[in-house]
Amino acid sequence: QTVVTQEPSFSVSPGETVTLTCGLSSGSVSPTYYPSWYQQTPGQAPRTLIYSTNTRSSGVPDRFSGSILGNKAALTITGAQADDESDYYCGLYMGSGISVFGGGTKLTVL
Amino acid sequence: EVQVVESGGDLVKPGGSLRLSCAASGFIFSNAWVSWVRQAPGKGLEWVGRIKSKTDGGTTDYAAPVKGRFIISRDDSKNTLYLQMNSLKTEDTAVYYCTTVWQQLGLWGQGTLVTVSS
Repeated sequence: QTVVTQEPSFSVSPGETVTLTCGLSSGSVSPTYYPSWYQQTPGQAPRTLIYSTNTRSSGVPDRFSGSILGNKAALTITGAQADDESDYYCGLYMGSGISVFGGGTKLTVL
Repeated sequence: EVQVVESGGDLVKPGGSLRLSCAASGFIFSNAWVSWVRQAPGKGLEWVGRIKSKTDGGTTDYAAPVKGRFIISRDDSKNTLYLQMNSLKTEDTAVYYCTTVWQQLGLWGQGTLVTVSS
C-alpha cells in the first residue's frame, strides 16, 4: 500500500521562505495526482490553500504557491508570517476514485 | 454566503448507526462533487469518500476502512449531502467534515463530532 509522505515538522524564521513536500513511499508525484494543500490551526476546520498542483483557492495570499519539485509535490510559503504557524496537509488523488492525505507537517514560525 | 454546514454528530454505541448531513448554500450544489473527510482526536485528516454530481454520474467512492459500512448520498432538491454510517466502530470516532471546491473556492464546514463508545 502506497503511503503519502510529509515532513513531520518544519521550522522557519519570520520573513524566510519555506518549502514543504508531499511524496509517495513508492513512485513519483505528478500532476495526474492532482496534489492539494490544506492549512489547519488547532481547533479549526481545515482551509484549502492549493488544488490541482498550483491553483490557489480564492482568498489565499499569493505567497502560498504549489508546484512539482523533482518527484514530489511542494508547497512554498514566501515570506513566512507568524500566523502561518499551522499544520499543513497534502492530499493526492490515487486513481480509481480514491484520495489519500499525508500525515501532515507541523510548521513552527520562530 | 457560500458555505457548507454539517450536522448530526452524536454519541453512539459500537455496532450502531448514524446519519450525518451537510447543508450547502450560496452555490449550485447539484453541480458539485463533494467529499467527506474525518479527523480522529489528535490525529491527521483522513479521506472518507466522495460523490460526483448527477451530471457526472452521481457515483460514489470510499476509503477502504469504511467501504461496505458507510454510504454517501445526496438530495440536490434540498442542497444536502448525507453520510450514512453503519456498523460503527470505536475507531470511527472523529470530527466529520464535508468539503468541495466551487469556482476556485475551497469550502469546508465546521465539522460534526461522532463519538463511538459503549
